[in-house]
Amino acid sequence: GENVEQHPSTLSVQEGDSAVIKCTYSDSASNYFPWYKQELGKGPQLIIDIRSNVGEKKDQRIAVTLNKTAKHFSLHITETQPEDSAVYFCAATLISGSARQLTFGSGTQLTVLP
Amino acid sequence: EAQVTQNPRYLITVTGKKLTVTCSQNMNHEYMSWYRQDPGLGLRQIYYSMNVEVTDKGDVPEGYKVSRKEKRNFPLILESPSPNQTSLYFCASSKARDGYYEQYFGPGTRLTVT
Repeated sequence: GENVEQHPSTLSVQEGDSAVIKCTYSDSASNYFPWYKQELGKGPQLIIDIRSNVGEKKDQRIAVTLNKTAKHFSLHITETQPEDSAVYFCAATLISGSARQLTFGSGTQLTVLP
Repeated sequence: EAQVTQNPRYLITVTGKKLTVTCSQNMNHEYMSWYRQDPGLGLRQIYYSMNVEVTDKGDVPEGYKVSRKEKRNFPLILESPSPNQTSLYFCASSKARDGYYEQYFGPGTRLTVT
């Protein structure tokens, strides 16, 4: 099955700096890569996702890049703000019909220091 | 408001005492799933359901049962809880049609088994 590794486990940045979280996956057939943000005391929430036919996707201050050859993808947050502090999870799966099984990484605790 | 609800939010129980964690969604989603979240391990899928009366094992199904008698409800049953099932549990739901892959998570249930 799929295996997703995520690094770093914790990340502290100064407000206004950029943050990068990296994930690698093992199954070359995986073609869908979402990122979820989990705020304290809440369930994860999708913030951005990318399909394997796209190398990069951007949504305001958040961007995700995908390198299929190397089997890794990354989340980039620019101009970080205190409200970006949360746990971020990457995930990977093969979209097959209506399958919804996701394999998650172990999570990154991001702290944005004022 | 579109949401996934879980009850209870917190539960402390003893080994061997059967318990049920309820999950309900009001978005008419076909797909529902249960995850457990443990430090350093991310989110691991326990069971999922593609529709009423259709359930399947995820990555860590041992010690758990589920049922899907109604589209909106997907209870998680621990017949004989053990301390290694102490964890944070999340229910999630999603449309099960191609092009719709976002999973909506509930607020979580923190379970402690002594």
